[in-house]
Amino acid sequence: GAVVSQHPSRVICKSGTSVKIECRSLDFQATTMFWYRQFPKQSLMLMATSNEGSKATYEQGVEKDKFLINHASLTLSTLTVTSAHPEDSSFYICSARGAPREQYFGPGTRLTVT
Amino acid sequence: GQQLNQSPQSMFIQEGEDVSMNCTSSSIFNTWLWYKQEPGEGPVLLIALYKAGELTSNGRLTAQFGITRKDSFLNISASIPSDVGIYFCAGLANAGNNRKLIWGLGTSLAVNP
Repeated sequence: GAVVSQHPSRVICKSGTSVKIECRSLDFQATTMFWYRQFPKQSLMLMATSNEGSKATYEQGVEKDKFLINHASLTLSTLTVTSAHPEDSSFYICSARGAPREQYFGPGTRLTVT
Repeated sequence: GQQLNQSPQSMFIQEGEDVSMNCTSSSIFNTWLWYKQEPGEGPVLLIALYKAGELTSNGRLTAQFGITRKDSFLNISASIPSDVGIYFCAGLANAGNNRKLIWGLGTSLAVNP
């Protein structure tokens, strides 16, 4: 139980385009979802926290207009990287928390912006 | 942002050896979590600790929630090659729906067969 999926696992896009990443909790309802970014050999950096049906709460320094988060249902959250630039290339990981009180993580999405 | 002090930063051991890593914090946490991350994957929860002094095992893994609530350790006994990865500790801070994990910087484990 407590499985979280992410799609796509890898994406390459051109600079200036937008990319949407989906995060789904497959076997539980996630009242809260989290989006992280991770650079090579570093720990996870929290970008934003979203509760179902509410606006996301962004961490300091994270541009909310650039990283659009939608948590439309108890099993789905999306992160859209708008007008992507090469410096947005990174490993993006979502996690979900619901009835299991711990946080369970998705497998991550490797974004490369060329 | 706040981070936990996790040590050691990396370990290179022989198969069959025991491993110990720990995390400390200047703040009190109500929950300590230990995750393992393999390259190109998301973190996988290994052990969750909810009470000060709690000692919990998961197979060859054992973790304890420190009495002061400011530290935790993870032990791996009789290591095997598939134990390779980065181990992260995380503490839960704040209350309410937006409680967020505070992370250690990770312990990179390499096992020589």
